[in-house]
Amino acid sequence: DAGVIQSPRHEVTEMGQEVTLRCKPISGHDYLFWYRQTMMRGLELLIYFNNNVPIDDSGMPEDRFSAKMPNASFSTLKIQPSEPRDSAVYFCASSPSGVSGNTIYFGEGSWLTVV
Amino acid sequence: RKEVEQDPGPFNVPEGATVAFNCTYSNSASQSFFWYRQDCRKEPKLLMSVYSSGNEDGRFTAQLNRASQYISLLIRDSKLSDSATYLCVVRTIQGAQKLVFGQGTRLTINP
Repeated sequence: DAGVIQSPRHEVTEMGQEVTLRCKPISGHDYLFWYRQTMMRGLELLIYFNNNVPIDDSGMPEDRFSAKMPNASFSTLKIQPSEPRDSAVYFCASSPSGVSGNTIYFGEGSWLTVV
Repeated sequence: RKEVEQDPGPFNVPEGATVAFNCTYSNSASQSFFWYRQDCRKEPKLLMSVYSSGNEDGRFTAQLNRASQYISLLIRDSKLSDSATYLCVVRTIQGAQKLVFGQGTRLTINP
């Protein structure tokens, strides 16, 4: 079974450039999450969607970050303009509804370096 | 205060030893609790859920103390393959899918 698929796996970009991270959740999962992980702050929830609708974006650090989910099988996280402090691993995750939704499944992550 | 707090470690223990981690959470209304495992440069994966009565999965035992708001994970007869970061995870709002992760406790099992 295909898991959560993220792209790109690694990206190095210059400060000020736009970065777009992509995610394909597991088919049939109603929830999609974007997390960011750094050594200093650990794993932080940025935003999550239910049935393509953003439910909680309180973790989005600032207006430079935006996320969309145009359909059930695709989501993007965009950073514009990027800054060195945005360097982190960005994980997309998905989960089904109901009791089985106790488990969320992570993609392999997008490793972002902003120089 | 962080919603979920863990001792970051690192814990270095010899193979075969028993090791335990604790985690505390701040929201007394928290509903669900989990331990996730994250290997170096990999994504987190569910290790086990934590039930009110405590639960065991092979060499792993998880316990919940709601009165003191802490969760524990015990690993018996540790293996080299247990080396990883263990993340304490809490669902703070019933019916919501929002999971809050602790910063993780790093464990290294030495031969």
